Amino acid sequence: RKEVEQDPGPFNVPEGATVAFNCTYSNSASQSFFWYRQDCRKEPKLLMSVYSSGNEDGRFTAQLNRASQYISLLIRDSKLSDSATYLCVVNLEKSSGDKLTFGTGTRLAVRP
Amino acid sequence: NAGVTQTPKFRVLKTGQSMTLLCAQDMNHEYMYWYRQDPGMGLRLIHYSVGEGTTAKGEVPDGYNVSRLKKQNFLLGLESAAPSQTSVYFCASSSSGAATQETQYFGPGTRLLVL
Repeated sequence: RKEVEQDPGPFNVPEGATVAFNCTYSNSASQSFFWYRQDCRKEPKLLMSVYSSGNEDGRFTAQLNRASQYISLLIRDSKLSDSATYLCVVNLEKSSGDKLTFGTGTRLAVRP
Repeated sequence: NAGVTQTPKFRVLKTGQSMTLLCAQDMNHEYMYWYRQDPGMGLRLIHYSVGEGTTAKGEVPDGYNVSRLKKQNFLLGLESAAPSQTSVYFCASSSSGAATQETQYFGPGTRLLVL
């Protein structure tokens, strides 16, 4: 089992649709959780951190389910500009200290 | 404020050649990281540094060396390049460690092709 696992997609949705991605992680002691966005041939950029109580930033909502060891990202009212790869990122355990583990990403394509 | 910069942006090497990738950050960050990204593999940590003068191995350190002589710079060296090192290399920095929910800021990447 991969340490951080994502469905690679692609998710192909029309503008205005709601789309959700899930990501599972292997270690129940994981401490920090993030969603990063990566555009084609560009560097990853932080989209949002994921907090235990769940958090929202505009059209984006992130949830953490520690019992089932997954995090989710919900995008409402999809825009063409949301087309990108979304990376699930986890600090897996205390002993890994300063290291993050990246999922392979889920590709989203929003069509007109 | 340039953030994180990387040089060069693109390089072609022959097998056995050496090169150094330079990463610079102007955010006074303590932590710096080198990753490689390959299709279907996600980003994998090569080496990282928690402060000036310190380095540590990541997930895939073999064939690479690093140095952090100045806080703002983190160098990644390939002593004898191999085709398996063809990849996109990203540098990142953060003000504190990954366990603190602190953001890592990435440079634009270096595309390396080893023939």
